[in-house]
Formats: sequence, C-alpha cells, structure tokens
Amino acid sequence: EDQVTQSPEALRLQEGESSSLNCSYTVSGLRGLFWYRQDPGKGPEFLFTLYSAGEEKEKERLKATLTKKESFLHITAPKPEDSATYLCAVKDSSNTGKLIFGQGTTLQVKP
Amino acid sequence: NAGVTQTPKFQVLKTGQSMTLQCAQDMNHNSMYWYRQDPGMGLRLIYYSASEGTTDKGEVPNGYNVSRLNKREFSLRLESAAPSQTSVYFCASSERDRPTDTQYFGPGTRLTVL
Repeated sequence: EDQVTQSPEALRLQEGESSSLNCSYTVSGLRGLFWYRQDPGKGPEFLFTLYSAGEEKEKERLKATLTKKESFLHITAPKPEDSATYLCAVKDSSNTGKLIFGQGTTLQVKP
Repeated sequence: NAGVTQTPKFQVLKTGQSMTLQCAQDMNHNSMYWYRQDPGMGLRLIYYSASEGTTDKGEVPNGYNVSRLNKREFSLRLESAAPSQTSVYFCASSERDRPTDTQYFGPGTRLTVL
C-alpha cells in the first residue's frame, strides 16, 4: 500500500536553530515527491519536486533531499516567517497524477 | 492570474442539506482535483478529472458527486450533508494528470455540518 509518513508531527525551534523534517514513503516506483508549505487558513503552496535518489533542491533557507526511502527538508537558520505546516506527498503507483499526502509537520520558529 | 479560486470560503449546513462547492482555474490546466483535509488525516483525494469530460473516484468519494463543467471549472456537490463531512475542502489543478505534473491548490472552503 502506498504510504507517506512525516516526522516529527510538531517542531519548535529558536530563530537561527537549524533542523530537518523527515518524510518516509512506501510506493512502488517513485514518480515524484512533492513538498508543500501550508499557512494557517490557506491552501498548500508548492515548494519542490524531487524525482530521483540523490536529487537536491534549494530555495532560500530550505533544502530538500531525496533517498530511495525518504526525503528530508532541511531548514537552515530559520526565521519566524518560516513557521508553517510542511506537507510531503508522493505520486501513487497508478502512474497518474494522484497524490498521497503525509500528515504534515507543523514548524514553529520563535524569535 | 488568480490561479485556483474556490467559493464559498466558509459554509455552515444542517444535516441533510445540499450544497455545491465551486472551483475555477485560469492556468489553462487540463486536470483538476478535489481533496478534503481533516486533523491528523492529511489531505485525501475525493474525486478528480484528468481532462474535460472525464471524472474518476479518489480515495474517499462516498457522499459526493462532481461535475467538470468546462476546462476551467470543477464543482463538488454534497447531496445530503452529514456531520462526517465537516472538513476543509481544497481544489487543485495541474497541467495534465501525469506523475511529473505539479498540482496547485486553491485557498479552501471550510465546511461545518451541524
């Protein structure tokens, strides 16, 4: 069964304290792993797509990496405005556009 | 370019009432999706439309119907609302229904069924 698990559920950091969010997945033949950011009361906002093990993408303080079983979202020197819920999703085994989402990690960065 | 828009933003229904959630996109995308988001459950696919004129069930289709009105618009209908349908509903669109295509989301509709 296709499945995505994110950890931790919640993470509190001090401003400037770097950390990583984890996304573990089980899917037959990964066709794409997607990271989204979701602010309270808003829809998910696309951040990155990763397609193959070893691939890395960066955007400001965020860096996403991918292995054969998991992805990490590294946050370097976070700021309070990085506070949000980060969602990970994979395309399922059906070779269509259907996404399977994890439950998300809620990040709070305190000044 | 508004992207994906949804109406209404908030709605309160009584059990048994019906309503239609509207979604429109201006990105000339072929594929559109409806998800629900519940605490601790993540986003789950309700229905999707790979292209104009086609619709398919997702993971949790029971109690819902959809209509792909044209290329831009995809509506979700609750015929007889139940408290279990209290949720936040998101519409998304992508260029095509392929594994490599990115889905872009609307702002959501927050529905409460009493």
